[in-house]
Amino acid sequence: GNSVTQMEGPVTLSEEAFLTINCTYTATGYPSLFWYVQYPGEGLQLLLKATKADDKGSNKGFEATYRKETTSFHLEKGSVQVSDSAVYFCALVDTGRRALTFGSGTRLQVQP
Amino acid sequence: DADVTQTPRNRITKTGKRIMLECSQTKGHDRMYWYRQDPGLGLRLIYYSFDVKDINKGEISDGYSVSRQAQAKFSLSLESAIPNQTALYFCATSDPGLSTDTQYFGPGTRLTVL
Repeated sequence: GNSVTQMEGPVTLSEEAFLTINCTYTATGYPSLFWYVQYPGEGLQLLLKATKADDKGSNKGFEATYRKETTSFHLEKGSVQVSDSAVYFCALVDTGRRALTFGSGTRLQVQP
Repeated sequence: DADVTQTPRNRITKTGKRIMLECSQTKGHDRMYWYRQDPGLGLRLIYYSFDVKDINKGEISDGYSVSRQAQAKFSLSLESAIPNQTALYFCATSDPGLSTDTQYFGPGTRLTVL
């Protein structure tokens, strides 16, 4: 079945540091890939997505590229801010149920 | 107003009690989902519905039931709550017409079963 593996946290960075959160997946075919973000006390919000190989999703300075050859969708940001502190989830969509399969989440803490 | 709302936001109940969590949406989406979030496990699918007459089980449906009362409403019930159902529950919606599979989440219900 489908699965998503992402790096464990928490990840603690200083403001303006470079961020990478690794995500790899196992799936049949080529599902759409997503990064969702959960700020403290809130629900999940879509951060970015990519629907086919070599697509790059981007939003709010975050980027991720759909890499079919390595089955990866790593999240990157060149300069993090304190306001980026949140839990980040990598996910893929099940092509049959159209439901999401999530990774375990990575907590990011950015210090001033 | 929020597009996807969940009630209650927090609930504490006792083992053996019946409890219902409600989800309403104003996005006009046909597809609705219930997920459960546990620390270190991400979110897992409990039930999903593609329209009012279509209800399907997810990976962890045991101990839960659902009702799709209308396009806009999708309720999750625990017939006899047990402590390991303590978790954060999320409702989500998506629009099949957009073919992007983006899901929109409610704010969550934190359930504690004592």
